[in-house]
Amino acid sequence: DIQMTQSPSSLSASVGDRVSITCRASQGISNYLAWFQQKPGKAPKSLIYGASSLQSGVPSKFSGSGSGTDFTLTISSLQPEDFATYYCQQYNSYPLTFGGGTKVEIK
Amino acid sequence: QVQLVQSGAEVKKPGASVKVSCKASGHTFTGYNMHWVRQAPGQGLEWMGWINPNSGATNYAQKFQGRVTMTRDTSISTDYMELSRLRSDDTAVYYCAVDLNYFDYWGQGTLVTVSS
Repeated sequence: DIQMTQSPSSLSASVGDRVSITCRASQGISNYLAWFQQKPGKAPKSLIYGASSLQSGVPSKFSGSGSGTDFTLTISSLQPEDFATYYCQQYNSYPLTFGGGTKVEIK
Repeated sequence: QVQLVQSGAEVKKPGASVKVSCKASGHTFTGYNMHWVRQAPGQGLEWMGWINPNSGATNYAQKFQGRVTMTRDTSISTDYMELSRLRSDDTAVYYCAVDLNYFDYWGQGTLVTVSS
């Protein structure tokens, strides 16, 4: 199975900050990487697929980059509604696997 | 609009089985794979498998092989996930998610509690 490692596991940031979360795959996955946002008690929400393609309706302050084994999710200007847990997921091979999550908290 | 509505919370004893439903609307039910993902309390996300509602073909994570069965009823646009021989560590919220454009629609989740 492909292991997905996210860092950091949590971070504190202020409204307006630029925030980056990294995700590393245990082997190359090309660009078969998705990012999800999850708020407490809610289902995950798809943000990005194909490493850098924004899902319909997702604001452009979210961006994704990377290929192979190293990927980054960036939020350009953090807003109150962005405080949540973010997960990466690889879909290069089965089983599909998720990273452990990054909790973004208010400083 | 696309909607996935899941069945309600369940409490089961160890060794029992649970069957969770996911009723779809707003899209062509047989056109897209349905995935199942679970999340234990305070933990991350875990993919369990998918079903192709058109053919009934399935692809299960090895971890759940022999314990999970995904089925569908096309007449009522509903997918099902049944997990057998439940253990306490199967306590989790179970989600269905459809693959119109890669996991872009999710059900609200179904809490399954396994407790003696």
